[in-house]
Amino acid sequence: IAGITQAPTSQILAAGRRMTLRCTQDMRHNAMYWYRQDLGLGLRLIHYSNTAGTTGKGEVPDGYSVSRANTDDFPLTLASAVPSQTSVYFCASSGTPTTGTGRPYGYTFGSGTRLTVV
Amino acid sequence: DAKTTQPTSMDCAEGRAANLPCNHSTISGNEYVYWYRQIHSQGPQYIIHGLKNNETNEMASLIITEDRKSSTLILPHATLRDTAVYYCIVRVPYTGTASKLTFGTGTRLQVTL
Repeated sequence: IAGITQAPTSQILAAGRRMTLRCTQDMRHNAMYWYRQDLGLGLRLIHYSNTAGTTGKGEVPDGYSVSRANTDDFPLTLASAVPSQTSVYFCASSGTPTTGTGRPYGYTFGSGTRLTVV
Repeated sequence: DAKTTQPTSMDCAEGRAANLPCNHSTISGNEYVYWYRQIHSQGPQYIIHGLKNNETNEMASLIITEDRKSSTLILPHATLRDTAVYYCIVRVPYTGTASKLTFGTGTRLQVTL
């Protein structure tokens, strides 16, 4: 089934440790995104990528880094985790519109990674 | 991005139509209205989107007012599985680069027996 796979599903991480959240899509979408969701704050964009080889910062990028070596994979790395990074992380992707229509595609989201930093 | 305003919560009896309103009075001419929902602890799920015409798919209908300042998502026969938070989002125009979705707080729909 086409979609987005995130791993791990959940993780408890000691503060100061490095952690990479994995995200893989099989829809050949150009754009990919990482959001975090915290109670009362909704979904906030961390980083995004327009296409393989490019990345950009979202609303809350500090403490996170991403890479986009190919179309399918978009890992999110926490270099030195802190408790404030406890959250649910969602990866998403979106395709580019067909030529001439300009009709933007919807997003597809992964099932999320629940991260607890202690 | 145009901001959206939604009621915090709504209730609906199972089998009845659920009508979820959204105000987006500052929407610009080339911005689309998207609806997503998030069932507890799952990733957001795309429902439907539209520009100015009413839209219908297997999940729902989207009614956009003529002035485009508001819209209504209609779930024609709500079931318990439709209990979720529903997000109305106005998407920035596509410019060839990744365009983020700005999520508000959404409407928590509770479907009851």
